[in-house]
Amino acid sequence: DVQLVESGGGLVQPGGSLRLSCAASRFTLSHYYMHWVRQAPGKGLVWVSDINGDGTSTNYADSVKGRFIISRDNAKNTLYLQMNSLRADDSAVYFCGRGGPVAAVDIWGQGTMVTVSS
Amino acid sequence: QSALTQPPSVSGSPGQSVAISCTGTSSDVGSYNRVSWYQQPPGTVPKLIIYEVTNRPSGVPDRFSGSKSGNTASLTISGLQAEDEADYYCSSYTSSSTYVFGPGTRVTVL
Repeated sequence: DVQLVESGGGLVQPGGSLRLSCAASRFTLSHYYMHWVRQAPGKGLVWVSDINGDGTSTNYADSVKGRFIISRDNAKNTLYLQMNSLRADDSAVYFCGRGGPVAAVDIWGQGTMVTVSS
Repeated sequence: QSALTQPPSVSGSPGQSVAISCTGTSSDVGSYNRVSWYQQPPGTVPKLIIYEVTNRPSGVPDRFSGSKSGNTASLTISGLQAEDEADYYCSSYTSSSTYVFGPGTRVTVL
């Protein structure tokens, strides 16, 4: 089956950095937009960022613009999210998702938890 | 990037129909047919159930249907079943080339 597997989450202090990875299997990453979406415990989904197939175009939510960087290595079939200047309100499960049908996420990873705390 | 507006909860008995509204603005829902809906039972990963306002991915029952009028999109679940208990989120593409989600609606089957 088509699958996305996130990794790299963990506990980090405020102001710190973390890099999340999302490994894709059984589909060619370069053919798809890819997204990051986060969900704080007990809260709703929040879109974070997306990137086009060849990595030349990226977009960010205002809340992370200037602090997070989305990138991809299509040769490794892997998506990344570099998170800098982390704040407590960045604490959440981070999902990567495949941009499938027009403007929709059709495949979701299982998520990786990021906790920002001293 | 204001979130879309959804009711916190809706409920219905098995077999009934329920509708969830998703209200945005002329910068998102009102300007694009790029509205999608996701189902998330507790403790699980979101699942796409509607894309481009009205389209269902393969495998999604036709009990789920979507529509849009002006700045408001809607998801209707017909013939409600116990397995439909979940949180439902709408999402829209925006004029800023970003996406926005609603806060989610908890559907309870009585």
